[in-house]
Amino acid sequence: EPEVTQTPSHQVTQMGQEVILRCVPISNHLYFYWYRQILGQKVEFLVSFYNNEISEKSEIFDDQFSVERPDGSNFTLKIRSTKLEDSAMYFCASRARAGVYNEQFFGPGTRLTVL
Amino acid sequence: AQSVTQPDIHITVSEGASLELRCNYSYGATPYLFWYVQSPGQGLQLLLKYFSGDTLVQGIKGFEAEFKRSQSSFNLRKPSVHWSDAAEYFCAVGRGEGGGADGLTFGKGTHLIIQP
Repeated sequence: EPEVTQTPSHQVTQMGQEVILRCVPISNHLYFYWYRQILGQKVEFLVSFYNNEISEKSEIFDDQFSVERPDGSNFTLKIRSTKLEDSAMYFCASRARAGVYNEQFFGPGTRLTVL
Repeated sequence: AQSVTQPDIHITVSEGASLELRCNYSYGATPYLFWYVQSPGQGLQLLLKYFSGDTLVQGIKGFEAEFKRSQSSFNLRKPSVHWSDAAEYFCAVGRGEGGGADGLTFGKGTHLIIQP
């Protein structure tokens, strides 16, 4: 069964460093998302991406964040200068073609630890 | 803006007993509703979804949920829980708008504990 994959599973970085989290969405999906979950808290929407541009972003997704689909398979989240409060689990999700609403499939997550 | 309330932070149920997890949503139009389960250290697995039609939806692992528009609720139920059901359960609402403007809004989650 196709699934969303994410790498790495755990990333440790120093405050102020740049990190790139990688996701491979399900191959025929067209909509891509990033969410984060701070330890013990709820899952929060960051950004959605469709047709090579951002469709929607939350207030969390400030200028320190960017997303990119550099090729036909990867979807990345970049944090330019990490802060301690960026420590969280980051989930990628994808959704199939529009027309009929359908669910988002989530990857296993990348745990980001900022020291 | 839409919101989701899961009023129970923790619920403890005996193995074999029935389960109901509550979810209330706030959204001006017809919502798209989901229940996800998260086991410790794992990602989010979709249990079931409601888009339209029959208000009682069946999901995986023996779960079901009922959409009640008049109560703005989408409660999750299971007639007999198993120890493996111990996990965090999240209710979420989506707007289903075009062009990918449909980031899900999650509730804070309910932590389910199964006692022998």
